[in-house]
Amino acid sequence: DSGVTQTPKHLITATGQRVTLRCSPRSGDLSVYWYQQSLDQGLQFLIQYYNGEERAKGNILERFSAQQFPDLHSELNLSSLELGDSALYFCASSEGQRIEKLFFGSGTQLSVL
Amino acid sequence: SQQGEEDPQALSIQEGENATMNCSYKTSINNLQWYRQNSGRGLVHLILIRSNEREKHSGRLRVTLDTSKKSSSLLITASRAADTASYFCATVLYNFNKFYFGSGTKLNVKP
Repeated sequence: DSGVTQTPKHLITATGQRVTLRCSPRSGDLSVYWYQQSLDQGLQFLIQYYNGEERAKGNILERFSAQQFPDLHSELNLSSLELGDSALYFCASSEGQRIEKLFFGSGTQLSVL
Repeated sequence: SQQGEEDPQALSIQEGENATMNCSYKTSINNLQWYRQNSGRGLVHLILIRSNEREKHSGRLRVTLDTSKKSSSLLITASRAADTASYFCATVLYNFNKFYFGSGTKLNVKP
């Protein structure tokens, strides 16, 4: 068990809908990262937050947004969903701002029908 | 992928054999890490090697890093069926605070 909790584990929704994925980092970790894993794109870095502030951005679509709350949990919001958004979404956390080692949650499997 | 490429994409070996996976990357790095992913599960950190290190060992794992060639290799010795998983390299550059994963090598260890 990595100590990173992601909910829900599975999510099935329809095109055009909006969903929210939730992540609780390991106790004491201030950084949260979001990744998208699909068969054709591999593991894509989306965004990183450190202590409530956005620190780095990857290939995150404008339809996607994220935030980190004062209690350090993070949410990834996906809107106007398309079939191609179906993927496994991972949250990971690390202790500090400088990246040394990531601890991954078990992921949320999103299926857009 | 955003940064690295693993080679081969897939590898099938017999239990007891050694498995070698390679990772090539594109830019300067501060450290390179290897992760393991069992099917559909979260990634698990295996080992980290810094840019000023050339080789590192951890149990049955041996990692090498050649910054001049922008490449790394992961060797798993005396493989076991339980080593069956996908293995990813990840490159880290502190200034840009980004953490990019390669495309992964799918290892199958046959009992």
